[in-house]
Amino acid sequence: GAGVSQSPRYKVAKRGQDVALRCDPISGHVSLFWYQQALGQGPEFLTYFQNEAQLDKSGLPSDRFFAERPEGSVSTLKIQRTQQEDSAVYLCASSLPPSGVIEQFFGPGTRLTVL
Amino acid sequence: QKEVEQDPGPLSVPEGAIVSLNCTYSNSAFQYFMWYRQYSRKGPELLMYTYSSGNKEDGRFTAQVDKSSKYISLFIRDSQPSDSATYLCAMSGNNNDMRFGAGTRLTVKP
Repeated sequence: GAGVSQSPRYKVAKRGQDVALRCDPISGHVSLFWYQQALGQGPEFLTYFQNEAQLDKSGLPSDRFFAERPEGSVSTLKIQRTQQEDSAVYLCASSLPPSGVIEQFFGPGTRLTVL
Repeated sequence: QKEVEQDPGPLSVPEGAIVSLNCTYSNSAFQYFMWYRQYSRKGPELLMYTYSSGNKEDGRFTAQVDKSSKYISLFIRDSQPSDSATYLCAMSGNNNDMRFGAGTRLTVKP
């Protein structure tokens, strides 16, 4: 079966633009996670969904960041009024609970560059 | 201070060498200790995990956890060029709140 897919793979935005990043998790995976990975750093947790419910959004760095998963499958991470410090790779991961505490399946990421 | 500290390297070794990768952490609530491997422009993939303290071996890879010292290690024996990647330690408690180290970039030279 297919793994986690993300689109677009690369996104260049001008400062102040809004962007939307899409994640297609593995079919049937209840849990979905978003991470931000800066250059040379490990993934930093942003937010977590179980089905359509956003159970944890404590990692979202500001109110410019918003995530949704309306039907419990595909998820979108939206960043409003992008800033240069938002430049990073945004990773999506999915899992089946309770194994999400151990194994999360990651997509290839979306590399966002804000000019 | 970050919850999980990992030396980012880079680390370069000759083929066949034994590699030692390490992380320290500060949160006593962590119970699951994982090593993920990330190739360039790919997402991380789980390599192996350990629950609580102890050792676990899988082929050429051995993971060790010492909860009393808040210190975890990954050893790679007979390293191969295909092992060249970034190795990320990760930890979690009973929720899905996984914390990653910065990653150590490893190059194994033929």
